[in-house]
Amino acid sequence: DIQLTQSPSFLSASVGDRVTITCRASQGISSSLAWYQQKPGKAPKLLIYSASTLQSGVPSRFSGSGSGTEFTLTISSLQPEDFATYYCQQLNSYPITFGQGARLEIK
Amino acid sequence: EVQLVESGGGLVQPGGSLKLSCAASGFTFSDHYMDWVRQAPGKGLEWVGRTRDKSNGYTTEYAASVKGRFTISREESKKSLYMQMNSLKTEDTAVYYCVRMHKRGMDVWGQGTTVTVSS
Repeated sequence: DIQLTQSPSFLSASVGDRVTITCRASQGISSSLAWYQQKPGKAPKLLIYSASTLQSGVPSRFSGSGSGTEFTLTISSLQPEDFATYYCQQLNSYPITFGQGARLEIK
Repeated sequence: EVQLVESGGGLVQPGGSLKLSCAASGFTFSDHYMDWVRQAPGKGLEWVGRTRDKSNGYTTEYAASVKGRFTISREESKKSLYMQMNSLKTEDTAVYYCVRMHKRGMDVWGQGTTVTVSS
């Protein structure tokens, strides 16, 4: 199975900050990576697919990059509604796997 | 409006069975892979399994943790996805989400249905 390791697992930031979350895969997955945002008690929401393609309706302050084994999700200027948990997911091979999550909290 | 609505969750004893349903609306159901993803209390997301679209023969894939115990099926005439869960274990306790695959991401999620396995 392909393991995804997100770092950091927890981060504290302020409104307006630039934030980057990294996702490392245990083996190469080309660009078959997606990012999701989840708020407490809610279903996850797709932000980015194919490593860098912004899902329709997602604000442009979100961006993704990377290929192979290292990927990043960047939020260019944090907004109050961005405080949530973020997950990466690989869809390169079965079983589909998720990272452990990165919880973003208000400083 | 594109929507997925799960039902069928509840409390079941270890070793018991439960069948989850997911009603789809607002899109051509047969054109999409459909997945189940679960989330144990306070934990991360875990992919459970998938049924492919019509052009791929509705074939299925499963996580190792549920293979042989869970069966995913779909009924096109009712635009519904199902998951029969047998031999349930306490570690199957989770919120179960029905999810639509689109391009290279899971773009539509249901609200989730809670399954609790406990004696």
